Amino acid sequence: GAGVSQSPSNKVTEKGKDVELRCDPISGHTALYWYRQSLGQGLEFLIYFQGNSAPDKSGLPSDRFSAERTGGSVSTLTIQRTQQEDSAVYLCASTPDGWGSYEQYFGPGTRLTVT
Amino acid sequence: AQRVTQPEKLLSVFKGAPVELKCNYSYSGSPELFWYVQYSRQRLQLLLRHISRESIKGFTADLNKGETSFHLKKPFAQEEDSAMYYCALRGNAGGTSYGKLTFGQGTILTVHP
Repeated sequence: GAGVSQSPSNKVTEKGKDVELRCDPISGHTALYWYRQSLGQGLEFLIYFQGNSAPDKSGLPSDRFSAERTGGSVSTLTIQRTQQEDSAVYLCASTPDGWGSYEQYFGPGTRLTVT
Repeated sequence: AQRVTQPEKLLSVFKGAPVELKCNYSYSGSPELFWYVQYSRQRLQLLLRHISRESIKGFTADLNKGETSFHLKKPFAQEEDSAMYYCALRGNAGGTSYGKLTFGQGTILTVHP
C-alpha cells in the first residue's frame, strides 16, 4: 500500500511569512509524529498525535509552531512568522498505535528554506 | 531525560573493511534501541531494532546495558552501505514517552571502492 506522503516536497518562503506543511499517514495508523531534521540539531521530535489529540507537544520550539490533525488522518504543521532558523527538513512518521509497539514509517519530508 | 550520542559525524572506510558506528545512550529505564538509515535521496527507514536481534544487510548491533551502548557493526563494508545512519531510542512502551524517538546526531558513512 501507499506509504506516508508529505507535501510540498520543497518550500521556499520569505522570512516573516506563514507556511503550512502537510502529512498523509498510512491508512489506519492512529499515531502520527512530526520531527525536524536540521544541520545543527540533527533529528528532533516536535509533536505527537494519537487520533486527533496531541498529548505530547513538548518538542515544538516556540509558539510560532502549531499542528493539527483532522479525521484521525491528515496532519498540518503550521509555522507562523517564519525565521531563518526554521529552515530544515520536516519529517512525518506514522505507526499503528502510540504505545510504542510498532515501527515508525517515515515520509519523504518537506524541505523548508526561509530566505 | 533521554539522550543518544553518536560521536562520529563522518566515517570513511574502504570496501571490504570492517565498520563500526558508535552509539551511546542515557535513559533511566528499559529503552528500545534502533538504527535507522537514510540512503541518498531516499526516506528514513528502519535498519534494525535491538529486540529483534537479527542481522540486516550484514549489519548487527548488540545492546550493552552496562556500557549503555548500541554500536552498529558490519564485518565487510560495501559501497552500497554509504548512507546517513541514525541511532534512536524509544522509551518504555505504553509510557508517557508515547513512542517518540530520540535520535543521535547521525553518522555519514562513506565506503570507498
